[in-house]
Amino acid sequence: NAGVMQNPRHLVRRRGQEARLRCSPMKGHSHVYWYRQLPEEGLKFMVYLQKENIIDESGMPKERFSAEFPKEGPSILRIQQVVRGDSAAYFCASSPTHTGPSGEQYFGPGTRLTVT
Amino acid sequence: QQQVKQSPQSLIVQKGGISIINCAYENTAFDYFPWYQQFPGKGPALLIAIRPDVSEKKEGRFTISFNKSAKQFSLHIMDSQPGDSATYFCAAGAGNNRKLIWGLGTSLAVNP
Repeated sequence: NAGVMQNPRHLVRRRGQEARLRCSPMKGHSHVYWYRQLPEEGLKFMVYLQKENIIDESGMPKERFSAEFPKEGPSILRIQQVVRGDSAAYFCASSPTHTGPSGEQYFGPGTRLTVT
Repeated sequence: QQQVKQSPQSLIVQKGGISIINCAYENTAFDYFPWYQQFPGKGPALLIAIRPDVSEKKEGRFTISFNKSAKQFSLHIMDSQPGDSATYFCAAGAGNNRKLIWGLGTSLAVNP
């Protein structure tokens, strides 16, 4: 059973460009979470999605950031008009449908975004 | 405001020793407390987790101790090995809201 997959692993964008980060959850998992990690810091929750629904986006910046998890295909975290402060590691996690509240989350290897 | 406070920031232990990392939380609604291990350039990996209905959970060399009244929990790594050298994160989650709140991490170095 493949783990959580993220691509690309490394992404370089110039200021003002768009960044698209992809996450394929583990097989059988329908819950996806996105986190951001700055150097020397812990992870910060961004958004929690189920198939075709955003459940909790309380950690998402109000502007330029959006996320989706379509019925088919990977979850996408989209950052428009990137700025240097967006440079970070972005991690996706997934959890299975059968777990209860606060179920175990399994993380992908992350996408390291660098904005030049 | 840091809802989950983790200490120490860094830790050096000799091979065979015990590594102890502590976390304290504020929100009494938290009911799930996982520990994650992260190696450089990798994603966090779930190590062990506990819920407030038990005071201790052990899996191999890793033990979580949980003190509900003090709102504290800790990770103990017995017989620490150089391969345990990594950054360890505690986290907390509450109810149906699955988002995890993370500590800032502890960088553990186990000397051979």
